Amino acid sequence: DAGVTQSPTHLIKTRGQHVTLRCSPISGHKSVSWYQQVLGQGPQFIFQYYEKEERGRGNFPDRFSARQFPNYSSELNVNALLLGDSALYLCASSLEDRGYGYTFGSGTRLTVV
Amino acid sequence: AQKVTQAQTEISVVEKEDVTLDCVYETRDTTYYLFWYKQPPSGELVFLIRRNSFDEQNEISGRYSWNFQKSTSSFNFTITASQVVDSAVYFCALSEHAGNNRKLIWGLGTSLAVNP
Repeated sequence: DAGVTQSPTHLIKTRGQHVTLRCSPISGHKSVSWYQQVLGQGPQFIFQYYEKEERGRGNFPDRFSARQFPNYSSELNVNALLLGDSALYLCASSLEDRGYGYTFGSGTRLTVV
Repeated sequence: AQKVTQAQTEISVVEKEDVTLDCVYETRDTTYYLFWYKQPPSGELVFLIRRNSFDEQNEISGRYSWNFQKSTSSFNFTITASQVVDSAVYFCALSEHAGNNRKLIWGLGTSLAVNP
């Protein structure tokens, strides 16, 4: 069975640009969460979606948005990129919205120059 | 406020030594889950264990063991007879299950280097 897949693996963007990151959860998992991990720190919660509805939002500016599709895959969008948005973006899927078990993808390494 | 503290930033041991990674958490909730994840250089977070707040039994899985003590709000992780492949960053995380709170709160991680 395929695990959580994220694309792209690496990405380099220029300040002010927009980026879309994609995540496909494990088959049968209905919940997707997004985390940002800056080098040397623990992941920070950005969003959680369950059954296409937003169930949680972290302390991130409105430049960050996300959505979940009918097939439970998800996109994370970041507008007006800043240098500080450079990080590893991790997607986690779980069977239920309360996240009794989270499986993470390998992440997308975003570099903003 | 919810918080997870991993006081050890970096640990270096020689292969076959035992090593304990500390995790202390803060929460106001009575129902919560605690997790340990391993992050190798590849970046993927690998799930190791989940423990709910009502289950204080210690757990052993091969060379790994976990000690959960609610009285001290600690959930420590011990690797017995460490191996080079254990080298990674280890994260402790807390998930509350009250209301609409769905997020994992993470410690800063402990970087473990196991040297041959």
